[in-house]
Amino acid sequence: QVQLVQSGAEVKKPGASVRVSCKASGYTFTSYYIHWVRQAPGQGLEWMGVINPSGGATDYAQSFQGRLTMTRDTSTSTVYTELSSLRSGDTAVYYCARGGLVVVPAVHGLDVWGQGTTVTVSS
Amino acid sequence: QSALTQPPSASGSPGQSVTISCTGTSSDVGGYNYVSWYQQYPGKAPKLVIYEVSKWPSGVPDRFSGSKSGNTASLTVSGLQAEDEADYYCSSYAGNNNLVFGGGTKLTVL
Repeated sequence: QVQLVQSGAEVKKPGASVRVSCKASGYTFTSYYIHWVRQAPGQGLEWMGVINPSGGATDYAQSFQGRLTMTRDTSTSTVYTELSSLRSGDTAVYYCARGGLVVVPAVHGLDVWGQGTTVTVSS
Repeated sequence: QSALTQPPSASGSPGQSVTISCTGTSSDVGGYNYVSWYQQYPGKAPKLVIYEVSKWPSGVPDRFSGSKSGNTASLTVSGLQAEDEADYYCSSYAGNNNLVFGGGTKLTVL
């Protein structure tokens, strides 16, 4: 079945970087966008950015420009998101989610979600 | 871009209908027919319940319906059931491969 499996929880100090992975299975990895969405404790969903696994092109939310890097490894069907210069406000659950087909812009809903990765930023 | 505006809470009795609104701008909700709605239970990942304003993913009951007028989209849950009690989030395409979410609505089944 189609699924996204994320890496485990992370605890980081302010100023550090964190990398979260998302391994896809059950479908053609390079055919669908992967988005990243985060949710701070008790808060709503925040869209972070999207990667096209086919060519690796990325688009990031303005609020993360300069701190966020998304990459992919087609040999393992895995997408990575790395957030740098961490601060306490980055404490959240980070989700990867599958978007639509990459042959059109990333307009579609997110139909498959990973289980979430908790990132805690604390000194 | 700014988050879409949703009411923080909504409620209804079993069997009733409830509608949740999602207000954006002409740059997101009003500009594209790519509004999605997600259901989220505490501690769980969101689940897609409506896409492209009014379409159902496989397995989602047709008690969930979506619509849009101008810059405001709506999710209606008919025949409320106890299992519908959850948080609901709207999202919209906002151009340049960007998405934007609403702040979320907590639906309570009385």
